[in-house]
Amino acid sequence: EPEVTQTPSHQVTQMGQEVILRCVPISNHLYFYWYRQILGQKVEFLVSFYNNEISEKSEIFDDQFSVERPDGSNFTLKIRSTKLEDSAMYFCASSELYGGNTIYFGEGSWLTVV
Amino acid sequence: AQRVTQPEKLLSVFKGAPVELKCNYSYSGSPELFWYVQYSRQRLQLLLRHISRESIKGFTADLNKGETSFHLKKPFAQEEDSAMYYCALRRAAGNKLTFGGGTRVLVKP
Repeated sequence: EPEVTQTPSHQVTQMGQEVILRCVPISNHLYFYWYRQILGQKVEFLVSFYNNEISEKSEIFDDQFSVERPDGSNFTLKIRSTKLEDSAMYFCASSELYGGNTIYFGEGSWLTVV
Repeated sequence: AQRVTQPEKLLSVFKGAPVELKCNYSYSGSPELFWYVQYSRQRLQLLLRHISRESIKGFTADLNKGETSFHLKKPFAQEEDSAMYYCALRRAAGNKLTFGGGTRVLVKP
C-alpha cells in the first residue's frame, strides 16, 4: 500500500537555525498538508497546499514557515529561524481530492530545538 | 470555530471487556467525524469515519448530532487494540482536520 514518507525521522538543531523537513506524498495525491504535535498537546493543522500554492493555513503558520513543492515528488516545510517552541513532531499528510477524502499521514519528523 | 474534546487521556481495560472512548465536538455546521489510531511507533491511520457507518476491527462509532458526540466503542477489547486514539472533525466542505487531545487505550491481559 502506498505511504507518505518523511525525512528525517529526527533532527536536532540549534535555536535560530533553518530547518527543512521533507515529505514524499502518495503519488496520485493532489492535496498536501503539514500538521504538528508539541509533546503532550493536540495534533494541530499548519497548512494545506494544492496546485503549487497554499490553500489554507493556521495562525501558527507565520512568516517563519514556508512550504514548497520543489519537484514532482517532494513537499517540504521550511522553518527559517527555529525557536525552542518549534520543538514538536511534524506530520506530513496527503489526500487524493479536496474534502470527502481520506487524509493519509506520514510517520512524522521529530524536531528538537536546543 | 471547531473544537474536539476527548475527556479521557487514558483508558485501561482488561482483555475481553468493553471499551468506549468519548468524543464531543463543537461546530455550527455539518461536520465529518473521524477516528484515527496510532499504534506504538507507527503513523496515524484512519480507523473509521462517520459517513461510512462501517465497523473496522470491531470498532463502531455513531454520530449523535443532538449530543454533538462521536463516541468509539468496541464490545470486546483485544490486547492489539492498545494504542493512541484521536477523534477528528472536518467541516463538510473543507480539508482541514481538527483533532482532539487523544485517548491512550491500554488493554491488559
